[in-house]
Amino acid sequence: DIQMTQSPSSLSASVGDRVTITCRASQGVSNWLAWYQQKAEKAPKSLISGASSLESAVPSRFSGSGSGTDFTLTISDLQPEDFATYYCQQYKSYPHTFGQGTRLEMK
Amino acid sequence: EVHLVESGGGLVQPGGSLRLSCAASGFIFSSSAMSWVRRAPGKGLEWVSGISGSGGSTFYGDSVKGRVTISRDNSRKTLYLQMSSLRVEDTAVYYCAKDRGSNWGQGTLVTVSS
Repeated sequence: DIQMTQSPSSLSASVGDRVTITCRASQGVSNWLAWYQQKAEKAPKSLISGASSLESAVPSRFSGSGSGTDFTLTISDLQPEDFATYYCQQYKSYPHTFGQGTRLEMK
Repeated sequence: EVHLVESGGGLVQPGGSLRLSCAASGFIFSSSAMSWVRRAPGKGLEWVSGISGSGGSTFYGDSVKGRVTISRDNSRKTLYLQMSSLRVEDTAVYYCAKDRGSNWGQGTLVTVSS
């Protein structure tokens, strides 16, 4: 199975900040990498697929990059609604493993 | 608009069984792979199982392999997860998702407790 490791596990930031979350795969996944946002008890929301393609209606302050084993999610100009938990997921091969999550908290 | 609605969750004793359902609408169900993902209390997302659009290929996570069966009825546009030999650690909100996770249902809570 491919292991996904996110860092940091938690992050404190302020409105207007730029933050970066990293995700590393234990083996290459090409660009078969997605990022999700989950708030409280809500369903996850897909933000990015194909490592860098923004999903419809996702604000342009979200961006993704990377290929192979190393990926990043960047949120520029943090907004109050962005404080949530973020997950990466590889979908190159089954099982489609998730990273352990990064909790983004307000400083 | 894609719409996924899970049902079938509830309280079950350890060793018991439960079948989850996910009713789909707003897309060509038979053309879409589907997945089940769960989130246990205080934990992160865990991919549970996946199935191809035809239902001919199924996949399972290590923690549930041998205890759950994923299936689908394309005529009813419904996805299923049959769970047996349930353990306390299977307690979680279970979500169905289209493809690898482009769209998600609201989730159904499974509680395994005596």
